[in-house]
Amino acid sequence: KAGVTQTPRYLIKTRGQQVTLSCSPISGHRSVSWYQQTPGQGLQFLFEYFSETQRNKGNFPGRFSGRQFSNSRSEMNVSTLELGDSALYLCASSLASQAHGLGKLFFGSGTQLSVL
Amino acid sequence: DAKTTQPNSMESNEEEPVHLPCNHSTISGTDYIHWYRQLPSQGPEYVIHGLTSNVNNRMASLAIAEDRKSSTLILHRATLRDAAVYYCILTSGGGADGLTFGKGTHLIIQP
Repeated sequence: KAGVTQTPRYLIKTRGQQVTLSCSPISGHRSVSWYQQTPGQGLQFLFEYFSETQRNKGNFPGRFSGRQFSNSRSEMNVSTLELGDSALYLCASSLASQAHGLGKLFFGSGTQLSVL
Repeated sequence: DAKTTQPNSMESNEEEPVHLPCNHSTISGTDYIHWYRQLPSQGPEYVIHGLTSNVNNRMASLAIAEDRKSSTLILHRATLRDAAVYYCILTSGGGADGLTFGKGTHLIIQP
């Protein structure tokens, strides 16, 4: 079974631009969540989608958005990039079907975003 | 979210057992205790989780205190491949919250 796939692996953008990151979950997984990892703040939760609906959102500005398609693939978009958005963005999928508890998460290797 | 406290780093020798502690004094009755680890240049990897009873799997054991205010991840025989950052996390049984990762424990394995 293929794992969680994130593309691209590396990305370089400049301030003010926007970026879209993609995540393909493990087949059969309907929950996809996104995390930002930086050396200073560690791993922080961005949002989680289940069956194309955002179920929960972390404490990030509205410049960060996401969506999930009917095949459970998910995209994350960051508009008007800032230097501080440079980070490793991780996607995780889960079988979780209930409104509570994320169960066991399977993470991708992440997209390393550098904002210049 | 209930928080966890872990030592910043720990060091152990190869082929010896490793006990990684985690304090979660504000844990609620519906919180599960999860452990993940992150190897260099990879996303976090699930290790084990439990609610009240001790748990064992092929990777590790999880020992949960009777009052559930602390837990210990046990690697029975550490190898160099176990060198990673280990995160102890609480997941709420009552809401679709994202995982709240702390700083974790950086485990160093000496050959």
